[in-house]
Amino acid sequence: GAVVSQHPSWVICKSGTSVKIECRSLDFQATTMFWYRQFPKQSLMLMATSNEGSKATYEQGVEKDKFLINHASLTLSTLTVTSAHPEDSSFYICSASYGDQPQHFGDGTRLSIL
Amino acid sequence: GENVEQHPSTLSVQEGDSAVIKCTYSDSASNYFPWYKQELGKRPQLIIDIRSNVGEKKDQRIAVTLNKTAKHFSLHITETQPEDSAVYFCAASKGNTGFQKLVFGTGTRLLVSP
Repeated sequence: GAVVSQHPSWVICKSGTSVKIECRSLDFQATTMFWYRQFPKQSLMLMATSNEGSKATYEQGVEKDKFLINHASLTLSTLTVTSAHPEDSSFYICSASYGDQPQHFGDGTRLSIL
Repeated sequence: GENVEQHPSTLSVQEGDSAVIKCTYSDSASNYFPWYKQELGKRPQLIIDIRSNVGEKKDQRIAVTLNKTAKHFSLHITETQPEDSAVYFCAASKGNTGFQKLVFGTGTRLLVSP
């Protein structure tokens, strides 16, 4: 149980385009989802906390207008990287939680901006 | 805010040896400490966690110890196997549930040689 699906797994696109990443909890209702960014050989850095039906809480230094988060239902949260540039290239991972259970992670999305 | 330090950054052991990874945290209010294993390009997977009301927890070859006074916790892997090779992350949070954000350590790359 507690499966988190993330899509797409890999995106390559041109500079200036916007990219949407989906995070779904497949077999449970996730009241809270988290979005992380991970650079090669580095740790996971929390970008924002997403609660269903309310605005996301962004970590210090993360531009909310650059990284749009929508948590429209208890099973889906989306991260949109707007006007992406090469420096936005990274591995983005979501996680979801419910009740007193630990966070369960998606498979991640490798984003490459040319 | 919370700061989690993790050592060593890399650890090489022979198959069958034990491996120990140590983390320290700064916020005495933190009370939940999970450990994640991440293989290259894959999702972090929870391998064991411990809450602040417990000093030690064991699951087969894996154990975690917590010293609240010193604010450090450790992961112990016994009888290591090549498939234990991965990056291990410790984390800390203030909540006993998955709703609370995790602060991750910098990771330890474990290499188990046959």
